[in-house]
Parts: sequence; structure tokens; C-alpha cells
Amino acid sequence: GEDVEQSLFLSVREGDSSVINCTYTDSSSTYLYWYKQEPGAGLQLLTYIFSNMDMKQDQRLTVLLNKKDKHLSLRIADTQTGDSAIYFCAESTNTDKLIFGTGTRLQVFP
Amino acid sequence: DAGVTQSPTHLIKTRGQHVTLRCSPISGHKSVSWYQQVLGQGPQFIFQYYEKEERGRGNFPDRFSARQFPNYSSELNVNALLLGDSALYLCASSRGPSDYGYTFGSGTRLTVV
Repeated sequence: GEDVEQSLFLSVREGDSSVINCTYTDSSSTYLYWYKQEPGAGLQLLTYIFSNMDMKQDQRLTVLLNKKDKHLSLRIADTQTGDSAIYFCAESTNTDKLIFGTGTRLQVFP
Repeated sequence: DAGVTQSPTHLIKTRGQHVTLRCSPISGHKSVSWYQQVLGQGPQFIFQYYEKEERGRGNFPDRFSARQFPNYSSELNVNALLLGDSALYLCASSRGPSDYGYTFGSGTRLTVV
């Protein structure tokens, strides 16, 4: 079946790195995504990774994929207060729908 | 370029009523998907449309229906509203059904009382 799991909450100090983790069950996942949702807003695509990649870096964001363990992580370097939001991991196969996790609320304190 | 636009932004309905939510995709995007996000949860897939044809349907009752128009805009209809239908309804557009570049709108917040 299709299932995506995330820890619910993460609290970090401003300037530190944040690491948000995600596990998924569908071994046929083609793409894996990270979305950001700020209060009262829709979803903003942060980054994505193809299932045949191990790592992708985009400015402060680093995505690591362990396909064997079906584990995805998002590292945010130099976390800022503006990074406070809910982060969703999502996966899709050729069926084209996105399967989302329950989201991780990131709180950044000064 | 305008992003994905949804209307209305907020809506309050009474149980048993019917509601229509609207979505305009990004110019050039031909695929529209609908998601329901209940408070505290991740979005759940409802429908995907491409070139006016339904390409996929999630695990939602027949009270939920949708359609896509020739200009690629879309409507989501929900009949016989239940309290549990209260949620943020998100629309996403992409160039095609297998395009990984999904762009989401800001959503319609539906409250059923």
C-alpha cells in the first residue's frame, strides 16, 4: 500500500541546521517531493528528487534519498525564522497522484 | 504570470447543501488535480483531470464530482455536505498528467456548520 510517515514536530535554534525525515512504503515511487505550507496558505514546492538519485542540493536545501530503506530527508542549512512552517513529504508513481505525509511542523526560535 | 487561482477563498455552508469550488490553472497547464486537506493532516488526492478527461480518482464518495472545461479551468462539486467535509480544498496544475511540476493554489477553506 501507499503510506508516507513523518515526525510531527521539530524545534531548532536560528542559525542551526534542521533535518526533517520521511519514510515511505511504495517501492515504485518515481518522484519524491518536499512542500512547505505556511499558516493559511497553500503548498509551495521546495524541491524534488527522482528515485534514481541519492542526493540533490539547492542553495540551503539538501535532499537525501535512501531507496533501500525508503527514507527521505530534507536538510535546511542556517535555518531562519522565516523557515517556520509545516513541511510535507510526498511521493508519486506513474499514477500521477501525490501521496502526502502528515507534515512536520518546524519551529525556529531565536 | 498568474499562479493557480482558486475561488472563493473562504466559504461557509450548512449540512446538506451543495458547494462548487473553482480553479484556474497556470497558463499553458492542461492538467488539474484536486486535494482535500483536513486540519492537522496532509492533503488527500480527490481527482485529476487532463484534457477534460478524468485521469484519476481518490477514495472519496460519489458526492464529490469534478469537471474540466475547454479553457482547462476546473470545478469541484460536493453534494449533501457533511460536517466532515470541512477542510481546505487545494487545486494543483501541471503541464501534463505525468509532469512532476505540480503548482498549488492557496486553496478554498470550506466550513460546514
